[in-house]
Amino acid sequence: SYVLTQPPSVSVAPGQTARITCGGNNIGSKSVHWYQQKPGQAPVLVVYDDSDRPSGIPERFSGSNSGNTATLTISRVEAGDEADYYCQVWDSSSDHPLFGGGTKLTVL
Amino acid sequence: QVQLQESGPGLVKPSETLSLTCAVSGYSISSGYYWGWIRQPPGKGLEWIGSIYHSGSTYYNPSLKSRVTISVDTSKNQFSLKLSSVTAADTAVYYCARGDGIPEIYFDYWGQGTLVTVSS
Repeated sequence: SYVLTQPPSVSVAPGQTARITCGGNNIGSKSVHWYQQKPGQAPVLVVYDDSDRPSGIPERFSGSNSGNTATLTISRVEAGDEADYYCQVWDSSSDHPLFGGGTKLTVL
Repeated sequence: QVQLQESGPGLVKPSETLSLTCAVSGYSISSGYYWGWIRQPPGKGLEWIGSIYHSGSTYYNPSLKSRVTISVDTSKNQFSLKLSSVTAADTAVYYCARGDGIPEIYFDYWGQGTLVTVSS
């Protein structure tokens, strides 16, 4: 079955750029979606279809997807961006959604 | 604004059946979209449990399929989850969510989640 691989943690200083990766076999052929989850809260969709942002999500959040890696980029990182981030795709071979293991973003 | 709210017992005994309901407001389930259940064990990641389309078609995670039933009650605008023969491994926060973007679905609206503990 399809597997999504995320780094367990990423650290970045305030004002810098954070890049969180999501690896999968030929993931560039799939649509990748990203969620932000803060402690004790439900996940929030921050990027869908590789690079689109839902209404209300700051432009600082962007996404890209090519080859075997999708990337969520957070520009000008703020303390409030500290959270867990999950990628998700639709696994067409089994016809269901699949989540990556999650990445904890720490703002130093 | 679409809102989802989970409800159900917070404590279930081992071997019994976990039952949760997701009440939807701001949108009629029968009109469309894909409605799902996702869970998150304490300190761990997200796991899709299963989903139901507005048409009533259901899809389940193969690892849970033998124990899961998802149904919809359009008259009450809600959908439900039943997970049988639970063990401590089923202890988790359970979320309901709306899926969009067919066929490559993403979840755009989520409930706040409800913690279900399996313990005697």
